[in-house]
Amino acid sequence: DAGITQSPRHKVTETGTPVTLRCHQTENHRYMYWYRQDPGHGLRLIHYSYGVKDTDKGEVSDGYSVSRSKTEDFLLTLESATSSQTSVYFCAISDGEGYTEAFFGQGTRLTVV
Amino acid sequence: SQKIEQNSEALNIQEGKTATLTCNYTNYSPAYLQWYRQDPGRGPVFLLLIRENEKEKRKERLKVTFDTTLKQSLFHITASQPADSATYLCALDLSGSARQLTFGSGTQLTVLP
Repeated sequence: DAGITQSPRHKVTETGTPVTLRCHQTENHRYMYWYRQDPGHGLRLIHYSYGVKDTDKGEVSDGYSVSRSKTEDFLLTLESATSSQTSVYFCAISDGEGYTEAFFGQGTRLTVV
Repeated sequence: SQKIEQNSEALNIQEGKTATLTCNYTNYSPAYLQWYRQDPGRGPVFLLLIRENEKEKRKERLKVTFDTTLKQSLFHITASQPADSATYLCALDLSGSARQLTFGSGTQLTVLP
């Protein structure tokens, strides 16, 4: 795997509580992404970042916020978790230069009860 | 609306045969298309990309075609092996830099010994 670490790998939380997922990279890639993966929906982009403090929304951004204060770290926050946010969350990175692929982390399985 | 469809959720084939997976898209004009492999409990791993001006791309036992008129990509695995069993995802990128990959829901391939 490329140098991407997601933490935690598993989390169970209660409805209404805030949750923060962390993605850490050692590749110095400019672009970082948060996806969620649900059965029948594939991977859907939540938010992405194209530089420190530069972020933008993806397809399913409602209920999520992100922050990137350092090149290597991209945080995803669920301000008030809901059961519909139970999912597997993947962080990905790319260098954004030319025709390049994305590298994915191992994923975080989040269960909201 | 923009949409990506992969031919079926599951595909079973006999070892040694050629597996063919289909990715169809609508209302896109992608700069290029990518294929990923995903094993259970892991993040997607990049396999191949093909640009809009390329008809075919090969890598070892893998071959990808890209028909922008039909809005379709075919992904072939020749001489398939049980180790090829996984979920295969196609992804479209409008920007050319993996800045906003949109994924299909995937096809689960099982190669039977």
